[in-house]
Amino acid sequence: SQTIHQWPATLVQPVGSPLSLECTVEGTSNPNLYWYRQAAGRGLQLLFYSVGIGQISSEVPQNLSASRPQDRQFILSSKKLLLSDSGFYLCAWSGPGSTSGTYEQYFGPGTRLTVT
Amino acid sequence: GQQVMQIPQYQHVQEGEDFTTYCNSSTTLSNIQWYKQRPGGHPVFLIQLVKSGEVKKQKRLTFQFGEAKKNSSLHITATQTTDVGTYFCAGKTAAGNKLTFGGGTRVLVKP
Repeated sequence: SQTIHQWPATLVQPVGSPLSLECTVEGTSNPNLYWYRQAAGRGLQLLFYSVGIGQISSEVPQNLSASRPQDRQFILSSKKLLLSDSGFYLCAWSGPGSTSGTYEQYFGPGTRLTVT
Repeated sequence: GQQVMQIPQYQHVQEGEDFTTYCNSSTTLSNIQWYKQRPGGHPVFLIQLVKSGEVKKQKRLTFQFGEAKKNSSLHITATQTTDVGTYFCAGKTAAGNKLTFGGGTRVLVKP
């Protein structure tokens, strides 16, 4: 069965510090991978998605970046955090479009980031 | 760009009562999905609707996809405390690999 991991679960970082959040998926190959951010009590904002190694699509221009160094690894980074970067960061995967007809997404447990 | 709106934003329901939440897309969708997020948790996939006018049931939950494939609804009968959480709809257009999520309906149940 497929499993998605995210770490850390919670993180408190000062303004201006760097950020690196990691997401890994087990039990599937060539997944589509997604990074979302959720502000407290709000909806899901798609930040980045990837359909393959090294292929990143950015949805919202901001001080965040994403990378996919391996098939089942997705990393969210920032060089300098802003107060507005606080939120609940969720990684998700779905089957690749060529072999899956459903596209439902499976979410990791998330990382709660507080920028102080 | 594509927008997905959900109403109401909040729903206070007496235990045992029914309620409906609605989802509307600015563009025609190839499919629509529903997710549930419990307080403090992550979204969990509930169901996907693909066909125009499709209706699917999961126990006390009934999901419907509009004839024009631009709207959807979730109806919950005999609400229980286990139904507490935020329900999101998410639409996918024919092109691309991404979903556009609605803002969610946060459901609170009064015992």
